[in-house]
Amino acid sequence: DGGITQSPKYLFRKEGQNVTLSCEQNLNHDAMYWYRQDPGQGLRLIYYSQIVNDFQKGDIAEGYSVSREKKESFPLTVTSAQKNPTAFYLCASSGRQGRGETQYFGPGTRLLVL
Amino acid sequence: AQKITQTQPGMFVQEKEAVTLDCTYDTSDQSYGLFWYKQPSSGEMIFLIYQGSYDEQNATEGRYSLNFQKARKSANLVISASQLGDSAMYFCAMREGPHNQGGKLIFGQGTELSVKP
Repeated sequence: DGGITQSPKYLFRKEGQNVTLSCEQNLNHDAMYWYRQDPGQGLRLIYYSQIVNDFQKGDIAEGYSVSREKKESFPLTVTSAQKNPTAFYLCASSGRQGRGETQYFGPGTRLLVL
Repeated sequence: AQKITQTQPGMFVQEKEAVTLDCTYDTSDQSYGLFWYKQPSSGEMIFLIYQGSYDEQNATEGRYSLNFQKARKSANLVISASQLGDSAMYFCAMREGPHNQGGKLIFGQGTELSVKP
């Protein structure tokens, strides 16, 4: 089945530690996105990439980093500079055909700070 | 600046009745896209329906329809014949810019819908 996978489902981070969230898609989509969701809130864009080896900052990029070495993969690293990382992280991808480039989402990763 | 407003934090509807979830938006772009997503308690975001700014007809997808009023900048979601499984958070979102250039989504705060048996 085509889709987006995120791992792990739950992630625990210690103070001062960098952690990496995985996002993989087999939809052959060019664009991929990372969003953050805080309790009771909508989603906010962290980073996005419209093509391999290129990415742009979103609205809340500070304390995060990404890479896009392969079309299928867009990992997000939460660095120690992100002082309030506890949140639900959602990865999405979109293609250029149909439906106004609808973004389809993975199941998400919940990050908790120990 | 682009903005999405959902004024109903929570809504209740009786099973089998229709319900309307409100969404207003603000943009200076002529070309934009409007989306509705459903987020059940599991957390995944499920795409429901899309409306392009140049689409002349309101979008429909099964029991979901989008009441698009461009002059009023509103894009309300109508769910007909509500089911217990419709209980979830619903988010309205807007894509900035022309649809063939990708682009980020701006999300509203969401409306929590509860369907009563």
